[in-house]
Amino acid sequence: QQQVKQSPQSLIVQKGGISIINCAYENTAFDYFPWYQQFPGKGPALLIAIRPDVSEKKEGRFTISFNKSAKQFSLHIMDSQPGDSATYFCAARRSGGYQKVTFGTGTKLQVIP
Amino acid sequence: GAVVSQHPSRVICKSGTSVKIECRSLDFQATTMFWYRQFPKQSLMLMATSNEGSKATYEQGVEKDKFLINHASLTLSTLTVTSAHPEDSSFYICSARDNTANRGGWGEAFFGQGTRLTVV
Repeated sequence: QQQVKQSPQSLIVQKGGISIINCAYENTAFDYFPWYQQFPGKGPALLIAIRPDVSEKKEGRFTISFNKSAKQFSLHIMDSQPGDSATYFCAARRSGGYQKVTFGTGTKLQVIP
Repeated sequence: GAVVSQHPSRVICKSGTSVKIECRSLDFQATTMFWYRQFPKQSLMLMATSNEGSKATYEQGVEKDKFLINHASLTLSTLTVTSAHPEDSSFYICSARDNTANRGGWGEAFFGQGTRLTVV
């Protein structure tokens, strides 16, 4: 069962444009939602994260929008740059226990000049 | 963010041999570490949760006798792929969770660089 659904699978954006990646979750026990950026041959790196008690979080060019009632969250990359070309994973984690992270399926972003 | 070092970054081994991958948290203590496997163009699949001083917890379908995990200290966990076969070739990634309040208290997990295992 895919607990975190992510779309689109791939995305091509012009330099300077806005990249938008969407995720939806099913388990209401999730209480922490990070986004990771992964370059080929490297491990994922935390980009930005949000808790469900806020609807939006912004860090530089990266913004997470969170809709708790719809169980959806999205990543917006403003002023997208070629260096942002990577695979992005949304994720969700529940409190308690080992706090395992459940990953989305990934979005390969390509920013073209 | 915190630094998690994974070694080696690449390894090629012969079929039937065993390979050990190390995961170290360099600037924090990690009571819990996670091991993932990632196939090309796919997401990360959790293999097991490694706890310092106790047995690892394996996800359903992961052979614990094949993927041996040892978490001997608060900064080191190892994954040993025993009797490796070509189908074990994959990208293995570890992560370590920082439970201190220094990093916002969210217990964020930081990832190693990954290990590309090729079994020939």
